[in-house]
Amino acid sequence: EAGVAQSPRYKIIEKRQSVAFWCNPISGHATLYWYQQILGQGPKLLIQFQNNGVVDDSQLPKDRFSAERLKGVDSTLKIQPAKLEDSAVYLCASSVPGADTQYFGPGTRLTVL
Amino acid sequence: QKEVEQNSGPLSVPEGAIASLNCTYSDRGSQSFFWYRQYSGKSPELIMSIYSNGDKEDGRFTAQLNKASQYVSLLIRDSQPSDSATYLCAASLTGGFKTIFGAGTRLFVKA
Repeated sequence: EAGVAQSPRYKIIEKRQSVAFWCNPISGHATLYWYQQILGQGPKLLIQFQNNGVVDDSQLPKDRFSAERLKGVDSTLKIQPAKLEDSAVYLCASSVPGADTQYFGPGTRLTVL
Repeated sequence: QKEVEQNSGPLSVPEGAIASLNCTYSDRGSQSFFWYRQYSGKSPELIMSIYSNGDKEDGRFTAQLNKASQYVSLLIRDSQPSDSATYLCAASLTGGFKTIFGAGTRLFVKA
């Protein structure tokens, strides 16, 4: 079974630029999560989707971050404009609805200069 | 602000010893609790989940939950150098909703 796929793996941008990350969950996993993990901290949930609906986006900085999950499969997370403090690893995870086990992708390491 | 607290460590144990990792959580509504292992530069991987008070064993790992004390622990028996990693404790409401992670405890197992 293929795992959660993410791209790109690394991204370096200047502050005020925009960036987008892509995630493809495990086949059949209707629940998708985006996390931000700053160095030395645990993952912080940004947004949770079930199919293509948002379940929780209470910690998503909506003035600069947006996410969508068209057709209930792939998802993109966008940052516009980026700030220095957005430097982090962005992790995508997926799970079967109602199940607690989350499977994480390899992450995208973002550096904002 | 709902939180999951962990001692950041590092926790250093000799090979073959028992490593004990602890975690407390603030949301009494939390129903599901997890321990993830994260190697440096890698993504978290689930090693244990626990939902009811008491102990749950899986191989060398034992998770313990005490909801009255809002306390979760992980014991690793016969620790190996390959167990050296950061261990993340997480808590969520039912069905993976509102998952909150702790900052993790770094474990070093000395050969």
